[in-house]
Formats: sequence, structure tokens, C-alpha cells
Amino acid sequence: AQSVTQPDIHITVSEGASLELRCNYSYGATPYLFWYVQSPGQGLQLLLKYFSGDTLVQGIKGFEAEFKRSQSSFNLRKPSVHWSDAAEYFCAVPSTDKLIFGTGTRLQVFP
Amino acid sequence: DTAVSQTPKYLVTQMGNDKSIKCEQNLGHDTMYWYKQDSKKFLKIMFSYNNKELIINETVPNRFSPKSPDKAHLNLHINSLELGDSAVYFCASSPGPTGEKLFFGSGTQLSVL
Repeated sequence: AQSVTQPDIHITVSEGASLELRCNYSYGATPYLFWYVQSPGQGLQLLLKYFSGDTLVQGIKGFEAEFKRSQSSFNLRKPSVHWSDAAEYFCAVPSTDKLIFGTGTRLQVFP
Repeated sequence: DTAVSQTPKYLVTQMGNDKSIKCEQNLGHDTMYWYKQDSKKFLKIMFSYNNKELIINETVPNRFSPKSPDKAHLNLHINSLELGDSAVYFCASSPGPTGEKLFFGSGTQLSVL
């Protein structure tokens, strides 16, 4: 069955630093992959998605993600983090009519 | 002009009570979902409906009963609430039944005392 793993439960960065959040997938064919963000007290919002084609995907809020088949990864990156990026980030993959979410990575941003 | 709205935002109740959470989407989507998020932020799908028909029913106690009066609404009724039901419940919708590109409501925090 399709699944995603987020190895980092909690990451702390300084404002202005670069960020990379890891996501590894388990999927038989070329997967569809998603990153969602959940701000405190809010529902999830789609940041970006990969379906096919260019392996570097641009999303909202200055985020990007790179699909690497050789590493079964779809890591989320941002060159310079803002305090407002503090949130929970979820990687996801569709599986039989539903979206399967990873366990999430909580991002904390220090001034 | 909220796309997916659910009410109430907070729900505090005693064990054994029955409660409902309502969800409405104005996106014209065909598919709606209920997800449960536990205290560790783990998200698990409970139900999905496509055009008012149930298509996913995960391993959820039958105390939980979804109802979809039309494709813009998916309500969740919970009977005989238990302590373990405490969680945040999210409604979501998507254009089709493949589970891609979900739009989420802001959640209902349920606390069972």
C-alpha cells in the first residue's frame, strides 16, 4: 500500500535560515505527492503537488519540493524561513480514493 | 466567503452524550470527507462521500454516523461519546473521488469529559 514517512517530528530553525523537510514515499508506480501546511488552530492547506513532469515543483508561500525517484523522496524546501512559517507540515500520497498523510513535522521558527 | 465551513469550532461535552458536527462546502465539489486528528497530530480518514454516496468507511465505531443530505453537506453524528473520541475533526472536500487536492475546514475540537 502507498505510504509516506516523515522522519523528523520537530525541526527548529532561525528566521531567515533555509529549510528542508523530509518526506519518503512507498509507491509502486510514479506517485502523486502533496505537501500540506497546518497553521495553529487551522485546517490543512495545500502547498504544492507533484503529478508528473518537472521534478522541481513550485508552491505557494515561496516553498518548493523536489521529487527524487532514486531516493524515493519528495523533500520540501524554502530558502529563507519567515516566522509565519511556523506550523505543522504534512506530506501526503493518494491511495484508493483517499489521501494518506504522513505523521507531520512541526516547524518552530526562532527570531 | 469560506470554502469549507464546519460548526461548531469547539465542542465540550460529557461522556455518553450525542453530538453532531456540521460541514458545508461552496466549491461545487462532488466529494467530501471526515478526518480525525489525534493529540499527536496524526490524521486519519474516517469517511468519504461522493455525490451523497458513501465510498469510504474506515474502521470507525458505528457510534459515528455520517449523513450527506446533498453533495454540499456532510454532517457527522456521534452517539454515546467516549473519552477516546476527544480529537480535532476535519471536514474536507475535493473535486472528485480520487482523494487528491483536498480543501479543509478549520476543524472542530471535540473534548469529552
